[in-house]
Amino acid sequence: NAGVTQTPKFRVLKTGQSMTLLCAQDMNHEYMYWYRQDPGMGLRLIHYSVGEGTTAKGEVPDGYNVSRLKKQNFLLGLESAAPSQTSVYFCASSRPYASGNTIYFGEGSWLTVV
Amino acid sequence: GQQLNQSPQSMFIQEGEDVSMNCTSSSIFNTWLWYKQDPGEGPVLLIALYKAGELTSNGRLTAQFGITRKDSFLNISASIPSDVGIYFCAGPGSGNTGKLIFGQGTTLQVKP
Repeated sequence: NAGVTQTPKFRVLKTGQSMTLLCAQDMNHEYMYWYRQDPGMGLRLIHYSVGEGTTAKGEVPDGYNVSRLKKQNFLLGLESAAPSQTSVYFCASSRPYASGNTIYFGEGSWLTVV
Repeated sequence: GQQLNQSPQSMFIQEGEDVSMNCTSSSIFNTWLWYKQDPGEGPVLLIALYKAGELTSNGRLTAQFGITRKDSFLNISASIPSDVGIYFCAGPGSGNTGKLIFGQGTTLQVKP
């Protein structure tokens, strides 16, 4: 059972470079999310998607773009990386919110911008 | 906006001790979730609470949904070394979109 898979797991970027993080889920979930985790700040939502072809801004969207061209994939892009974007990025997916909602997280992608 | 505050921020305990941590909010939540994150891994759901006053156990873990719906507690009994990690509380963000609001996390270290 793959669940939620993120690639790459580790990446070092130079300031100004661009990159894309890929998230794939095999649970046929409608909803997908990108969070970033920084020390002492918990997880903060960057962008999310409630279905194929739709995206929406979360709590900290600046500097990131996303795309959901296929239901199973959710891409997070950094057009011009900045040191402030050094973080651990988590993708997650879930069924549409209901009383029994559970969100499943990937294992994380460690990004360092130098 | 909605915010969750967890305390304590970190704990360093002896194996076998019981642990208590809590999460408070300035606004009402209808669901409280507790996650654990092992080092180098993503968060994994431990317990979900859906009703005010609800007390739910998962092995040595017990969580309670506060009556005011503005707080929740997680207790770990007889801690073991594998309990090490970061514990997050979470609740649903505004709107029916499934997004979660997370607390800052409580880092637990257990000394064998």
